Amino acid sequence: NAGVTQTPKFRILKIGQSMTLQCTQDMNHNYMYWYRQDPGMGLKLIYYSVGAGITDKGEVPNGYNVSRSTTEDFPLRLELAAPSQTSVYFCASSYSLTGAFFGQGTRLTVV
Amino acid sequence: DAKTTQPNSMESNEEEPVHLPCNHSTISGTDYIHWYRQLPSQGPEYVIHGLTSNVNNRMASLAIAEDRKSSTLILHRATLRDAAVYYCILRGAQKLVFGQGTRLTINP
Repeated sequence: NAGVTQTPKFRILKIGQSMTLQCTQDMNHNYMYWYRQDPGMGLKLIYYSVGAGITDKGEVPNGYNVSRSTTEDFPLRLELAAPSQTSVYFCASSYSLTGAFFGQGTRLTVV
Repeated sequence: DAKTTQPNSMESNEEEPVHLPCNHSTISGTDYIHWYRQLPSQGPEYVIHGLTSNVNNRMASLAIAEDRKSSTLILHRATLRDAAVYYCILRGAQKLVFGQGTRLTINP
């Protein structure tokens, strides 16, 4: 099983550029999440989804957008990248309120 | 979301049991107690979860107080690989929100 797969693993963006972080899971989980983790800090929830076509804001949604057109995929879109968005981004999935499984992360640097 | 309180850090010795406490006095009847850990430079990893009864799996045991206002994650025989930040989370709604966790150091 692949579990939760995130691409790319690393990316450097220039200020003002846009990009999409990809997340896919093969466990048929209905819930999916995006987090960011700044150096030495805890995880902050950006957006989450409880099923295809349903998304909701987390703790720090500003500057990001998401969509959930399929059960498997939950891409995170950064528009107009800013240095404050330099972080490690984690995607996770779970079957409802059971344990969540995380991807290996995307390390993003905005310069 | 109901809050949890954990010590910022704990230290233990290799091959000894470790008891990581978590207080959650505002827990509601439908909140599950989840534990995750994050090893250095890795993503979070699910450890265990429970509702009312104690739970065991290959990684750890979860002991839940009878009034459910506290719980303890038990690592039965710590190894150096168990050094990580451990998060106790109440899961009753759709969100999964992390607190600051307990940084566990294992001494050889």
